Amino acid sequence: DGGITQSPKYLFRKEGQNVTLSCEQNLNHDAMYWYRQDPGQGLRLIYYSQIVNDFQKGDIAEGYSVSREKKESFPLTVTSAQKNPTAFYLCASKAQGEYEQYFGPGTRLTVT
Amino acid sequence: QQQVKQSPQSLIVQKGGISIINCAYENTAFDYFPWYQQFPGKGPALLIAIRPDVSEKKEGRFTISFNKSAKQFSLHIMDSQPGDSATYFCAASEGGSYIPTFGRGTSLIVHP
Repeated sequence: DGGITQSPKYLFRKEGQNVTLSCEQNLNHDAMYWYRQDPGQGLRLIYYSQIVNDFQKGDIAEGYSVSREKKESFPLTVTSAQKNPTAFYLCASKAQGEYEQYFGPGTRLTVT
Repeated sequence: QQQVKQSPQSLIVQKGGISIINCAYENTAFDYFPWYQQFPGKGPALLIAIRPDVSEKKEGRFTISFNKSAKQFSLHIMDSQPGDSATYFCAASEGGSYIPTFGRGTSLIVHP
């Protein structure tokens, strides 16, 4: 069964703590993406990676960090510097040269 | 600056009616226009997509109409069903980056 998995589905953290969201894909896709979704805001790009060991900032990268040590994995760390971290986070992947992105089921992060 | 403007923000239709969602873009380099469907608590999934060399694409009850000169495209859902109730996002990509720019989404409710 090919696809993208994100874990956990729900995550709760106290303010001031860093938290890492997992994203794994077995589609053999080169590119992976992290989006943040807030009500009425659409999908906003946080970071993306087109190849292992390389990644670029998206539109709202401040307060976030990523790594891409393996083709299958693209974890996102929400740091304590992110001022408003409570949101629904979506991971996506895409084959090289293709347009279509495939999304994971998302992680809902709540920080109190 | 919002490069893809989507309207309406929310839409309520009766079962059997036609749902119409509109998007407008500015960047003439965009050459791929997908629509994604997202159910609550899930990741978006590609519904239908169009390239600018055609003016219309139909898949079942879903049709994209594309007006290149006006830089607008729209999604029509014929014979709308309660199971179509979801959030719909339009997007636009260009072949250089392949990174989509998303509209802010339309929440569709189809009453039985």
